[in-house]
Amino acid sequence: GENVEQHPSTLSVQEGDSAVIKCTYSDSASNYFPWYKQELGKRPQLIIDIRSNVGEKKDQRIAVTLNKTAKHFSLHITETQPEDSAVYFCAASSLQGAQKLVFGQGTRLTINP
Amino acid sequence: DVKVTQSSRYLVKRTGEKVFLECVQDMDHENMFWYRQDPGLGLRLIYFSYDVKMKEKGDIPEGYSVSREKKERFSLILESASTNQTSMYLCASTLDRIIQPQHFGDGTRLSIL
Repeated sequence: GENVEQHPSTLSVQEGDSAVIKCTYSDSASNYFPWYKQELGKRPQLIIDIRSNVGEKKDQRIAVTLNKTAKHFSLHITETQPEDSAVYFCAASSLQGAQKLVFGQGTRLTINP
Repeated sequence: DVKVTQSSRYLVKRTGEKVFLECVQDMDHENMFWYRQDPGLGLRLIYFSYDVKMKEKGDIPEGYSVSREKKERFSLILESASTNQTSMYLCASTLDRIIQPQHFGDGTRLSIL
């Protein structure tokens, strides 16, 4: 089955700098890659997603890139702000229509003022 | 806005007890999911359901069962709770089988003593 590896497990950056979180997946049939943000004590919330027919997607300060050949995708946050501090999860969907997501281990991002 | 409601935020039970975790969604979603979240392991899928009375095993179904008697409600059952089932449990739902984001509940933090 699908396996998703996420790195780093913790990341600390200065406010205003960029943060990059990387994920690799094993199943070449995976075609949907969402990113979730989970603030302390709250539910995971989708922040951006990308499908396998697209190489890059951007939404304001957040962007995701996908390299299908290498089977990895990355989350880029620019101009980081204190409210970006949270745990971020990547995921991959391995079966068309099954909606069965496999999640990475999570990255705790801390933005230092 | 989609509302996924989990019946308890915190729950304390004893080893050997039968435990029920309830999840209700109010948007007539077809698909519902149960995950457990543990530090360093991300979210792992326990069971999911495409329709009433239908269920599919996820990646870690051992020690759990589920029930979906009504479309809006998906219950996770710990048949005989053990201490290694102490965890955060998250419920999620999606409208149908077309690829789309999952909507999560607030989670139930379950402690088995």
